[in-house]
Amino acid sequence: SQTIHQWPATLVQPVGSPLSLECTVEGTSNPNLYWYRQAAGRGLQLLFYSVGIGQISSEVPQNLSASRPQDRQFILSSKKLLLSDSGFYLCAYKVTTNEKLFFGSGTQLSVL
Amino acid sequence: GEDVEQSLFLSVREGDSSVINCTYTDSSSTYLYWYKQEPGAGLQLLTYIFSNMDMKQDQRLTVLLNKKDKHLSLRIADTQTGDSAIYFCAETKSGGYQKVTFGIGTKLQVIP
Repeated sequence: SQTIHQWPATLVQPVGSPLSLECTVEGTSNPNLYWYRQAAGRGLQLLFYSVGIGQISSEVPQNLSASRPQDRQFILSSKKLLLSDSGFYLCAYKVTTNEKLFFGSGTQLSVL
Repeated sequence: GEDVEQSLFLSVREGDSSVINCTYTDSSSTYLYWYKQEPGAGLQLLTYIFSNMDMKQDQRLTVLLNKKDKHLSLRIADTQTGDSAIYFCAETKSGGYQKVTFGIGTKLQVIP
C-alpha cells in the first residue's frame, strides 16, 4: 500500500535560519509531488509541484525552494527564513492513474 | 481562472444532518473532492466524484453535483461530535499534470 511520510511534525526556527523539510512516499513509482502551505485560518496555497526527478515548478515566487533528488523524495528548503514563512506545510502526492491527492501529516513551522 | 468557494463556518446539533456547500468556476473540472482536516493534522480524502456523476453515496456521506450550476455539496447524515473538523472542497482536471485547487475550508462545529 502507498504511504507518505513527512517530518518533522513541528519546528521552531529563528528568523534568518535555514530550513529543510522532507517528504517521502512509499509504495508507488513516479508520483506527482506537491508542497502546500496553510496559513492560520486560511485555505491551502500550492507552493511547488514536481512531475519527476529534478523537475520542479513553482506556483508562487517566494523565499522557499524545492528539490526532488529521488523519485519518491521531495524537499522544501529555505536559506533564510522570514517571519511570514510561518505556517502549516503539507506534502502531498498523486498517482496519475487515479487522480486522488493524498496528504502527509504536516509540519507546523513557527519562525520567531 | 480557477476558483473554489465555500462558506467559512457551519454549526449543527449532534444527530442532525450537515450540508456543506461549494461552488467552483472551472467548467472543465473533471474530479471534485471533499477532504477533512482535524486540528493539527493533514488532509484526509473523504470522497470524490467524477463530473459525469450527479450523486455518490458512501455510508453517512452523500455528495451531490450540479454541473450546470457548478455546485457541489457534502451531506453528512447523523452528524457526530467526531465529525467536527474543517472540510475542504477541491477540483482538478484529468490528464497529465493538473493542479488541484482547494476552497478555503468550512469549519463544522457539532454541538452535543
